[in-house]
Amino acid sequence: ILNVEQSPQSLHVQEGDSTNFTCSFPSSNFYALHWYRWETAKSPEALFVMTLNGDEKKKGRISATLNTKEGYSYLYIKGSQPEDSATYLCASPSGGGADGLTFGKGTHLIIQP
Amino acid sequence: NAGVTQTPKFRILKIGQSMTLQCAQDMNHNYMYWYRQDPGMGLKLIYYSVGAGITDKGEVPNGYNVSRSTTEDFPLRLELAAPSQTSVYFCASSYSVRGEQFFGPGTRLTVL
Repeated sequence: ILNVEQSPQSLHVQEGDSTNFTCSFPSSNFYALHWYRWETAKSPEALFVMTLNGDEKKKGRISATLNTKEGYSYLYIKGSQPEDSATYLCASPSGGGADGLTFGKGTHLIIQP
Repeated sequence: NAGVTQTPKFRILKIGQSMTLQCAQDMNHNYMYWYRQDPGMGLKLIYYSVGAGITDKGEVPNGYNVSRSTTEDFPLRLELAAPSQTSVYFCASSYSVRGEQFFGPGTRLTVL
């Protein structure tokens, strides 16, 4: 079983500020790193799937970077808006990838107006 | 496309009862998964399937069974419900082994 860790556990950010948080994972036998956004009372939705060291992906104001050699990924949100309030999950395939994902416990982001 | 659908949305069971949580997807995905989500614990993989007729255990399979007779359906069976199975259950599917997973709306199960 992989150990996928996220920090911080929760984060309060003022509207308009930028923020970032971290996902760490074992650097050996790396296959992929997933980021999901999970709003209250909804189900997780994929943001990014990253596979290559040095990968950077962007979707609107949200971007992510990947360092497979040291085993971490950062998620950045630029100019936070209230609709960005959600739990952000990262996950990595448990084995070869076909056996599901191991999720971190998430970073709970609250944007304060 | 309906995506991934789950029924029921909510259910209360008594200890020892059995039930089946239904999951279906209309995206022709080979890979399907069952997760449970407990407060403060994150999502844990219960069972997964790489195609019709093929299933395997995940991290927390005890007390559950699955079947995959068609590409579309992946039901999860609880035979003897226990309070420890109180949780929110999510079904997910993906097109490829490392591709993004699409989640259903979840089933909230309480065992009393």
